[in-house]
Amino acid sequence: QQQVKQSPQSLIVQKGGIPIINCAYENTAFDYFPWYQQFPGKGPALLIAIRPDVSEKKEGRFTISFNKSAKQFSLHIMDSQPGDSATYFCAASRSSNTGKLIFGQGTTLQVKP
Amino acid sequence: DAMVIQNPRYQVTQFGKPVTLSCSQTLNHNVMYWYQQKSSQAPKLLFHYYDKDFNNEADTPDNFQSRRPNTSFCFLDIRSPGLGDAAMYLCATSRDLTAISRDSFGSGTRLTVV
Repeated sequence: QQQVKQSPQSLIVQKGGIPIINCAYENTAFDYFPWYQQFPGKGPALLIAIRPDVSEKKEGRFTISFNKSAKQFSLHIMDSQPGDSATYFCAASRSSNTGKLIFGQGTTLQVKP
Repeated sequence: DAMVIQNPRYQVTQFGKPVTLSCSQTLNHNVMYWYQQKSSQAPKLLFHYYDKDFNNEADTPDNFQSRRPNTSFCFLDIRSPGLGDAAMYLCATSRDLTAISRDSFGSGTRLTVV
């Protein structure tokens, strides 16, 4: 119930490609779904987040698609660049709870020049 | 302009020797979290403070303790580090438990146990 399942574990795309990372959750009480980007040796940085009252959110080249009925959400990176190479974590939390973030397992993205 | 600052960036400690990691924040956030992140794994929440209220995760070993003397600072104490405690330790803050833009992470302290 508390798990967030993320796939794929790793992903390699060419520059300009559109990597897609998927996450699925079970707990319907989750109401906040952020994505974090983490570079080696750095802490995670909030990239983009969505609430379940919208089906899509865009910020620059990053888009979250949210399917409430399927309990799935995904991150799309448009026109990917080598500088996007990092590990991406999805997460979920309940605002009414302690606010604890439940993280997915992470996806290591490599964008080749 | 780092807003969540962790010191030191790298810490080497001996097996069984107590070690303290520190975190400071300039955001005036009410909540401060400590996460443990092992190689190629997701961050794992150890505990958090909401103001002065301490909240421990059920599976956090007793070996890990925390102190928050004031709003700006929070410490992670590992009483008797074992080899399995080698990890990146991340501090994060949040305005409150329901904030939308939340969990500003520090850059972490990488702990090595020898």
